[in-house]
Amino acid sequence: GAVVSQHPSRVICKSGTSVKIECRSLDFQATTMFWYRQFPKQSLMLMATSNEGSKATYEQGVEKDKFLINHASLTLSTLTVTSAHPEDSSFYICSARDGRENNEQFFGPGTRLTVL
Amino acid sequence: GQNIDQPTEMTATEGAIVQINCTYQTSGFNGLFWYQQHAGEAPTFLSYNVLDGLEEKGRFSSFLSRSKGYSYLLLKELQMKDSASYLCAVSDSNYQLIWGAGTKLIIKP
Repeated sequence: GAVVSQHPSRVICKSGTSVKIECRSLDFQATTMFWYRQFPKQSLMLMATSNEGSKATYEQGVEKDKFLINHASLTLSTLTVTSAHPEDSSFYICSARDGRENNEQFFGPGTRLTVL
Repeated sequence: GQNIDQPTEMTATEGAIVQINCTYQTSGFNGLFWYQQHAGEAPTFLSYNVLDGLEEKGRFSSFLSRSKGYSYLLLKELQMKDSASYLCAVSDSNYQLIWGAGTKLIIKP
Protein backbone atom coordinates (compact mmCIF):
# COMPACT_ATOMS: atom_id res chain seq x y z
CA GLY A 1 0.00 0.00 0.00
CA ALA A 2 0.88 3.66 -0.20
CA VAL A 3 3.33 4.91 2.41
CA VAL A 4 3.40 8.31 4.05
CA SER A 5 6.26 9.35 6.28
CA GLN A 6 6.32 12.14 8.81
CA HIS A 7 9.28 13.77 10.49
CA PRO A 8 10.02 14.29 13.29
CA SER A 9 8.02 11.70 15.20
CA ARG A 10 8.44 13.55 18.44
CA VAL A 11 9.58 17.07 19.30
CA ILE A 12 9.90 19.02 22.50
CA CYS A 13 10.44 22.74 22.23
CA LYS A 14 10.40 25.88 24.31
CA SER A 15 7.49 28.28 24.20
CA GLY A 16 7.93 30.91 21.50
CA THR A 17 9.97 28.79 19.12
CA SER A 18 8.84 27.51 15.73
CA VAL A 19 8.60 23.87 14.76
CA LYS A 20 8.50 22.43 11.25
CA ILE A 21 6.90 19.07 10.52
CA GLU A 22 7.43 17.31 7.19
CA CYS A 23 5.02 14.96 5.49
CA ARG A 24 6.15 12.89 2.52
CA SER A 25 4.37 10.44 0.25
CA LEU A 26 7.04 7.85 -0.50
CA ASP A 27 5.67 5.79 -3.34
CA PHE A 28 2.92 7.88 -4.90
CA GLN A 29 2.16 11.43 -5.92
CA ALA A 30 -0.20 13.18 -3.55
CA THR A 31 -2.10 16.00 -5.16
CA THR A 32 -3.82 16.66 -1.86
CA MET A 33 -2.46 16.43 1.66
CA PHE A 34 -4.32 16.99 4.89
CA TRP A 35 -3.12 18.14 8.28
CA TYR A 36 -4.92 16.98 11.39
CA ARG A 37 -4.53 17.67 15.07
CA GLN A 38 -5.63 15.25 17.75
CA PHE A 39 -5.84 16.05 21.43
CA PRO A 40 -5.87 13.20 23.97
CA LYS A 41 -9.01 11.08 23.89
CA GLN A 42 -10.49 13.14 21.08
CA SER A 43 -11.05 12.47 17.42
CA LEU A 44 -9.06 13.85 14.55
CA MET A 45 -9.61 17.54 13.84
CA LEU A 46 -8.88 18.69 10.31
CA MET A 47 -6.72 21.78 10.35
CA ALA A 48 -6.16 22.40 6.66
CA THR A 49 -6.23 20.91 3.20
CA SER A 50 -3.16 21.40 1.07
CA ASN A 51 -3.07 21.17 -2.70
CA GLU A 52 0.23 21.09 -4.54
CA GLY A 53 1.20 24.47 -5.90
CA SER A 54 -1.62 26.43 -4.30
CA LYS A 55 -2.45 27.97 -0.96
CA ALA A 56 -3.81 25.73 1.75
CA THR A 57 -7.44 25.88 2.75
CA TYR A 58 -7.78 26.28 6.50
CA GLU A 59 -10.67 25.10 8.62
CA GLN A 60 -12.61 27.59 10.67
CA GLY A 61 -10.80 28.54 13.84
CA VAL A 62 -7.35 27.56 12.60
CA GLU A 63 -4.97 30.50 12.36
CA LYS A 64 -3.22 30.42 8.99
CA ASP A 65 -0.47 32.77 10.19
CA LYS A 66 0.31 30.49 13.08
CA PHE A 67 0.15 27.19 11.21
CA LEU A 68 2.04 27.73 7.98
CA ILE A 69 1.54 25.06 5.35
CA ASN A 70 3.65 24.63 2.25
CA HIS A 71 2.95 22.00 -0.39
CA ALA A 72 5.83 22.61 -2.76
CA SER A 73 5.81 19.29 -4.56
CA LEU A 74 3.61 16.28 -5.18
CA THR A 75 5.42 14.34 -2.48
CA LEU A 76 6.09 16.89 0.25
CA SER A 77 4.02 19.12 2.49
CA THR A 78 5.27 20.95 5.56
CA LEU A 79 3.48 22.36 8.57
CA THR A 80 5.26 25.02 10.61
CA VAL A 81 3.90 25.85 14.02
CA THR A 82 5.11 29.39 14.61
CA SER A 83 5.67 30.85 18.08
CA ALA A 84 4.48 27.67 19.69
CA HIS A 85 2.76 27.79 23.06
CA PRO A 86 1.92 24.99 25.51
CA GLU A 87 -1.67 24.85 24.24
CA ASP A 88 -0.28 23.84 20.84
CA SER A 89 0.99 20.62 22.38
CA SER A 90 -0.81 17.88 20.49
CA PHE A 91 -0.50 14.96 18.11
CA TYR A 92 -0.21 16.27 14.55
CA ILE A 93 -1.01 13.83 11.76
CA CYS A 94 -0.76 14.30 8.04
CA SER A 95 -2.48 12.27 5.37
CA ALA A 96 -2.20 12.13 1.63
CA ARG A 97 -4.65 11.24 -1.08
CA ASP A 98 -3.43 9.66 -4.27
CA GLY A 99 -6.49 10.38 -6.34
CA ARG A 100 -7.59 6.79 -6.62
CA GLU A 101 -11.22 6.00 -7.08
CA ASN A 102 -12.06 5.52 -3.44
CA ASN A 103 -10.27 8.69 -2.33
CA GLU A 104 -8.63 6.83 0.50
CA GLN A 105 -6.36 8.90 2.69
CA PHE A 106 -3.07 7.37 3.78
CA PHE A 107 -1.83 8.57 7.12
CA GLY A 108 1.63 9.41 8.30
CA PRO A 109 2.72 8.05 11.69
CA GLY A 110 2.11 11.39 13.41
CA THR A 111 4.25 13.91 15.29
CA ARG A 112 3.93 14.34 19.03
CA LEU A 113 4.61 18.01 19.82
CA THR A 114 5.24 19.09 23.39
CA VAL A 115 5.73 22.79 24.06
CA LEU A 116 7.25 23.59 27.42
CA GLY B 1 -24.90 20.46 9.45
CA GLN B 2 -22.78 17.39 9.06
CA ASN B 3 -22.76 14.81 11.79
CA ILE B 4 -21.28 11.39 12.43
CA ASP B 5 -22.43 9.43 15.48
CA GLN B 6 -20.82 6.35 16.97
CA PRO B 7 -20.74 4.99 20.52
CA THR B 8 -18.01 6.37 22.74
CA GLU B 9 -16.91 3.08 24.22
CA MET B 10 -17.68 -0.63 23.96
CA THR B 11 -16.44 -3.66 25.84
CA ALA B 12 -16.23 -7.21 24.51
CA THR B 13 -14.66 -10.53 25.40
CA GLU B 14 -11.73 -12.16 23.65
CA GLY B 15 -12.97 -14.61 21.02
CA ALA B 16 -16.39 -13.01 20.77
CA ILE B 17 -18.00 -10.82 18.10
CA VAL B 18 -18.66 -7.09 18.37
CA GLN B 19 -20.55 -4.67 16.12
CA ILE B 20 -19.73 -0.97 16.12
CA ASN B 21 -22.45 1.21 14.63
CA CYS B 22 -22.10 4.52 12.84
CA THR B 23 -24.85 6.84 11.66
CA TYR B 24 -24.22 9.85 9.52
CA GLN B 25 -25.79 12.98 8.08
CA THR B 26 -23.60 14.69 5.52
CA SER B 27 -23.83 16.99 2.53
CA GLY B 28 -23.28 14.45 -0.19
CA PHE B 29 -21.79 11.00 0.06
CA ASN B 30 -18.75 9.56 -1.66
CA GLY B 31 -18.10 6.60 0.55
CA LEU B 32 -17.63 5.61 4.15
CA PHE B 33 -14.35 4.56 5.73
CA TRP B 34 -13.49 2.70 8.90
CA TYR B 35 -10.09 3.26 10.48
CA GLN B 36 -8.41 1.64 13.46
CA GLN B 37 -6.29 3.75 15.76
CA HIS B 38 -4.17 2.44 18.60
CA ALA B 39 -3.28 4.85 21.36
CA GLY B 40 -0.49 7.20 20.35
CA GLU B 41 -0.49 6.04 16.74
CA ALA B 42 -1.96 7.30 13.49
CA PRO B 43 -5.12 5.72 12.05
CA THR B 44 -4.83 2.73 9.76
CA PHE B 45 -7.30 1.90 7.03
CA LEU B 46 -9.72 -0.97 7.60
CA SER B 47 -12.48 -0.72 5.04
CA TYR B 48 -14.31 1.35 2.47
CA ASN B 49 -17.97 1.11 1.46
CA VAL B 50 -19.63 3.14 -1.25
CA LEU B 51 -22.40 0.75 -2.28
CA ASP B 52 -25.01 -0.82 -0.03
CA GLY B 53 -24.17 -4.16 1.42
CA LEU B 54 -21.55 -6.07 3.31
CA GLU B 55 -17.82 -6.03 2.59
CA GLU B 56 -15.89 -8.84 4.24
CA LYS B 57 -12.17 -8.79 4.84
CA GLY B 58 -10.89 -11.53 7.08
CA ARG B 59 -12.12 -11.08 10.64
CA PHE B 60 -13.47 -7.63 9.85
CA SER B 61 -16.62 -6.82 7.88
CA SER B 62 -18.29 -3.51 7.14
CA PHE B 63 -21.87 -2.87 6.17
CA LEU B 64 -23.49 0.16 4.57
CA SER B 65 -27.07 1.32 4.06
CA ARG B 66 -27.08 4.65 2.26
CA SER B 67 -30.84 5.12 2.55
CA LYS B 68 -30.58 4.83 6.33
CA GLY B 69 -27.33 6.74 6.68
CA TYR B 70 -25.98 3.78 8.61
CA SER B 71 -22.91 1.61 8.71
CA TYR B 72 -21.44 -0.93 11.06
CA LEU B 73 -18.07 -2.55 11.54
CA LEU B 74 -18.20 -6.19 12.62
CA LEU B 75 -15.19 -7.73 14.31
CA LYS B 76 -15.13 -11.51 14.74
CA GLU B 77 -12.91 -13.78 16.84
CA LEU B 78 -11.76 -10.83 18.87
CA GLN B 79 -8.14 -10.70 19.92
CA MET B 80 -6.54 -8.61 22.62
CA LYS B 81 -4.69 -6.62 19.95
CA ASP B 82 -8.06 -5.43 18.62
CA SER B 83 -8.30 -3.11 21.62
CA ALA B 84 -8.20 0.28 19.93
CA SER B 85 -10.36 3.16 18.81
CA TYR B 86 -12.40 2.65 15.67
CA LEU B 87 -13.13 5.73 13.61
CA CYS B 88 -15.98 6.09 11.15
CA ALA B 89 -15.46 8.72 8.44
CA VAL B 90 -17.65 9.80 5.53
CA SER B 91 -16.39 11.36 2.33
CA ASP B 92 -18.74 14.24 1.54
CA SER B 93 -19.63 15.95 -1.73
CA ASN B 94 -16.24 17.69 -1.76
CA TYR B 95 -14.43 14.40 -1.04
CA GLN B 96 -13.50 15.74 2.36
CA LEU B 97 -13.56 13.26 5.22
CA ILE B 98 -15.99 14.00 8.02
CA TRP B 99 -14.87 12.12 11.13
CA GLY B 100 -16.78 10.54 13.94
CA ALA B 101 -15.39 10.89 17.45
CA GLY B 102 -14.34 7.26 17.48
CA THR B 103 -15.38 4.22 19.49
CA LYS B 104 -12.95 2.93 22.07
CA LEU B 105 -13.13 -0.85 22.08
CA ILE B 106 -11.94 -2.64 25.20
CA ILE B 107 -11.27 -6.36 24.92
CA LYS B 108 -11.33 -8.40 28.10
CA PRO B 109 -9.81 -11.88 28.48
